[in-house]
Parts: sequence; C-alpha cells; structure tokens
Amino acid sequence: GNSVTQMEGPVTLSEEAFLTINCTYTATGYPSLFWYVQYPGEGLQLLLKATKADDKGSNKGFEATYRKETTSFHLEKGSVQVSDSAVYFCARGGSNYKLTFGKGTLLTVNP
Amino acid sequence: ETGVTQTPRHLVMGMTNKKSLKCEQHLGHNAMYWYKQSAKKPLELMFVYSLEERVENNSVPSRFSPECPNSSHLFLHLHTLQPEDSALYLCASSQDGLAGEYEQYFGPGTRLTVT
Repeated sequence: GNSVTQMEGPVTLSEEAFLTINCTYTATGYPSLFWYVQYPGEGLQLLLKATKADDKGSNKGFEATYRKETTSFHLEKGSVQVSDSAVYFCARGGSNYKLTFGKGTLLTVNP
Repeated sequence: ETGVTQTPRHLVMGMTNKKSLKCEQHLGHNAMYWYKQSAKKPLELMFVYSLEERVENNSVPSRFSPECPNSSHLFLHLHTLQPEDSALYLCASSQDGLAGEYEQYFGPGTRLTVT
C-alpha cells in the first residue's frame, strides 16, 4: 500500500540555521505530494504541494521538490525562525479520498 | 483561519456520557473527513463523506458514530467511550477527494479527554 516515511526527529536548530526534513514515499502511481504544518494547539495547515515530477512547491520560505527518481519530497528552508517551531507532516495523495501522512517531525527553533 | 471550524475545542467526558463533536466548512467543498490524532501515533483516518455519503469507514468502533446532514456540516457522535479514546479529533474538507489530488483543509481540532 501507499506509505510515507519522514525523518523522526525531534529536530532542534538555532535561529537562521538551514533546515532539511527528509521525506520519501512509495512509488505507486504519480501521487500529489504535500507538506503540512501543525503549530501548537492547532490543526494541520497546508504548507506547500507539488503535483508532478520536478515541480517545486514553495511557501513562507519553505521549498520542496518532487523527485520521481528518488521518490523524495524533502522540505528545506534556508533560514529558520523561532516562529517556525511546529510539527511538520509529509503526505501523499492516493485514490479513494485518502491522504497518507508521515508520522510527523517536531522542529524546535531556539533564539 | 482555514475555513473549517470545530466545536467544542475542548471536551472532558465520562465513559457513560454521550456527546457530539461538530465541524463546519465554509469552503464549498464536497468531501469531509474525521481524523484521530493521538500522541506518538500517526494520524488515523476515521471516516470520509463525499456529497453526504459515507465512502470510508476505517474499522472504527461503533461507539463513534458520524453524521453528515449536508455538505457543509459533519458530526461525530460519541457514547460509552474508553480512556484510550482521549485524543485530538480533527475534521478536514477537500474539494473532491476522488482522485486524491485535492489538498485537505483542517479545522483546529477538538481535544477530547475521557475520564
């Protein structure tokens, strides 16, 4: 079946550091890929998405590129801020209404 | 603000109580979802409705009973819950989930504690 694997974390960085959170997905079909973010006490918010190979999704300084050859969709940001502290979820679309989520990666950014 | 609201935000209930969670979406979407989010576990899809018809029921115990009276509203009726049902319950909606291509928009969740 469909699955998404992302780095477990937690990840702790200093402000202005470079962020990478790895995500790989099972290669069945050509799914859309998503990154969601969950701030403390809130629901999930869509951060960015990509719908086909080589697409780059970007939002709020975050980027991720759909890599079909490596079945990856790694999340990157060049300079993190304290306000980026949250849990990040990678997800893939599939058939029958389902999004398959990774387990989430907790990011803490210290001043 | 994602366009999906949930009430209540927090709920404490005993194991013999009956309560309901409410979700409303203001996005004109056709599909709505209930998820359970427990500490240290992946997000669990519970139910999916498309155009008010239930299209997915992921082996959820019968003490959870969903209801979708129209495409904007979704309820989760709870009765005789167990302490392990304590979790964050998230509602989501999407334009049309058939191809899995449409992103889902989540509400803020209801934090449920069963005592």
